[in-house]
Amino acid sequence: NFMLTQPHSVSESPGKTVTISCTRSSGSIASNYVQWYQQRPGSSPTTVIYEDNQRPSGVPDRFSGSIDSSSNSASLTISGLKTEDEADYYCQSYDSSNFVVFGGGTKLTVL
Amino acid sequence: QVQLQESGPGLVKPSETLSLTCAVSGYSISSGYYWGWIRQPPGKGLEWIGSIYHSGSTYYNPSLKSRVTISVDTSKNQFSLKLSSVTAADTAVYYCARRYGKINWFDPWGQGTLVTVSS
Repeated sequence: NFMLTQPHSVSESPGKTVTISCTRSSGSIASNYVQWYQQRPGSSPTTVIYEDNQRPSGVPDRFSGSIDSSSNSASLTISGLKTEDEADYYCQSYDSSNFVVFGGGTKLTVL
Repeated sequence: QVQLQESGPGLVKPSETLSLTCAVSGYSISSGYYWGWIRQPPGKGLEWIGSIYHSGSTYYNPSLKSRVTISVDTSKNQFSLKLSSVTAADTAVYYCARRYGKINWFDPWGQGTLVTVSS
């Protein structure tokens, strides 16, 4: 089995850009798609990125995803930060046996 | 539009079995897709429990596999979770979600239901 490691928290000012990393402990990050979920307090998670870099309809293009094989990590970038982006963000992936793993979550504070 | 709704007891005694049901509306389970259970202890992160196909094929988290059973009832358009021998560590919000096949993408999610394990 593998783990996905995220920073515990990040903070940035409105209008700025922030990037949240997600590092896979074993196995290639490129072998299985990565999803990113946003969870506001008291709410269920919702998808902001699927298949590494795809945005569901309704998610603004301020949200983007990428993977970097050299660091075996995925990243979620949010540009033009808004106070409404303040939430917990979770990365998620899987392996060839359909074992699903979530990262520990990153709390985004928009100051 | 697919919607999922969890239901079940909010309080379970230690050593007993936790039982939850997820009712699906807006889509027929027998038409396809996998369906999954995920939990979140208070103040902590998400943990995948397992997934089931309409045919009954299942995948479980190895750390919970010995205690978990997920089943599907296509006639009622719902699927269920049973977790046996629960302890306080199983206290969590339990979510059900639709899983997009090979990419293991969970969307949408139900609103979640809090289950507390306590005597």
